[in-house]
Amino acid sequence: DAKTTQPPSMDCAEGRAANLPCNHSTISGNEYVYWYRQIHSQGPQYIIHGLKNNETNEMASLIITEDRKSSTLILPHATLRDTAVYYCIVRVVYGSEKLVFGKGTKLTVNP
Amino acid sequence: DARVTQTPRHKVTEMGQEVTMRCQPILGHNTVFWYRQTMMQGLELLAYFRNRAPLDDSGMPKDRFSAEMPDATLATLKIQPSEPRDSAVYFCASGLGQGAPGELFFGEGSRLTVL
Repeated sequence: DAKTTQPPSMDCAEGRAANLPCNHSTISGNEYVYWYRQIHSQGPQYIIHGLKNNETNEMASLIITEDRKSSTLILPHATLRDTAVYYCIVRVVYGSEKLVFGKGTKLTVNP
Repeated sequence: DARVTQTPRHKVTEMGQEVTMRCQPILGHNTVFWYRQTMMQGLELLAYFRNRAPLDDSGMPKDRFSAEMPDATLATLKIQPSEPRDSAVYFCASGLGQGAPGELFFGEGSRLTVL
């Protein structure tokens, strides 16, 4: 079962930052936070993951609260191509490698 | 570019027919996952393998579905007999295994329609 809670939908203006929240209040110490996105009809695409420190890559930034009970994915300058369903997933690394998807957040970037 | 390859991309078949979907994982990856996606259920994990051994197929209807890895370069998902409720997009993904907190790479999916 998915262990995360995300808003079902969000809107963002093109060029602005998109901040996607995720609650994972029951996260365990050995679970990472992963973000994937799925652009219409395509396979899910990895974005970023983290354990407890903030992370940044060429696609996005991941901010994890100190208590690790929530996180925010930040797309710094959203484009129309970022319109997709974004999934926040908690995943054990050592042990089961299963990735269990919830319903995600449908992000619509508007011109 | 290394990628996960799935065939067929589209399949239309009649109820009762056997359907086989194939997946070529990225070379060097030792975990393979099968997912099914429908509008109602979203992305569901059907089964996954590590080093070609099935580790978890609890998400798969056992009476009609079977998943195998005949070798490291091929994973198959078979439905026999197929039913209209099996209509969905089936995704395969591969990755490095236990202890490697990396990403999973997904294929483009096989869209199955059972009439």
